[in-house]
Amino acid sequence: ILNVEQSPQSLHVQEGDSTNFTCSFPSSNFYALHWYRWETAKSPEALFVMTLNGDEKKKGRISATLNTKEGYSYLYIKGSQPEDSATYLCARLYNQGGKLIFGQGTELSVKP
Amino acid sequence: NAGVTQTPKFQVLKTGQSMTLQCAQDMNHEYMSWYRQDPGMGLRLIHYSVGAGITDQGEVPNGYNVSRSTTEDFPLRLLSAAPSQTSVYFCASSFGTVDNEQFFGPGTRLTVL
Repeated sequence: ILNVEQSPQSLHVQEGDSTNFTCSFPSSNFYALHWYRWETAKSPEALFVMTLNGDEKKKGRISATLNTKEGYSYLYIKGSQPEDSATYLCARLYNQGGKLIFGQGTELSVKP
Repeated sequence: NAGVTQTPKFQVLKTGQSMTLQCAQDMNHEYMSWYRQDPGMGLRLIHYSVGAGITDQGEVPNGYNVSRSTTEDFPLRLLSAAPSQTSVYFCASSFGTVDNEQFFGPGTRLTVL
């Protein structure tokens, strides 16, 4: 079973709020966990690729953590801005051949 | 570099017709993949390839064929289009897999009537 689950499905916050999303995945035979940002009418763009248990990555106001033993990753956005409005996708790499399975995404809407 | 390119951008087919969605990349990436976007389901992997001559099935391969004769190109063939194949199709490529992000093309919007 190639389950990658994301929660919540959607989130509506006010500008300035901090927020976080969860990505859950099977913990066995772990290779990598990807996070992508997907704006409406555009293509997904990579935020982070994480491979090691305990990894923490940061890009501006966005950061992510990884727990491979329990099978979850968190994405944090500090001080959300309207331009952060997008769908955030996580994906688990199932083999070294590139089998990348995506979750259903978390749709974030930030109101001014 | 053009990155990952996809043609056509839009296509309308009738049930039973066949067609090929084109994908090309100029970044010398070994790994390429095809996804379809379905509402509420994120991206679903159709087929992927680790290099020229090697392909494998993803989550939803039925009704689609692929081949990889060159590093640059990875076409997706719909053998007999069905309304259930109405979707937006994305091609992606990466230099490696474990430590490397995927780069996505602009997508092809396909409608099957």
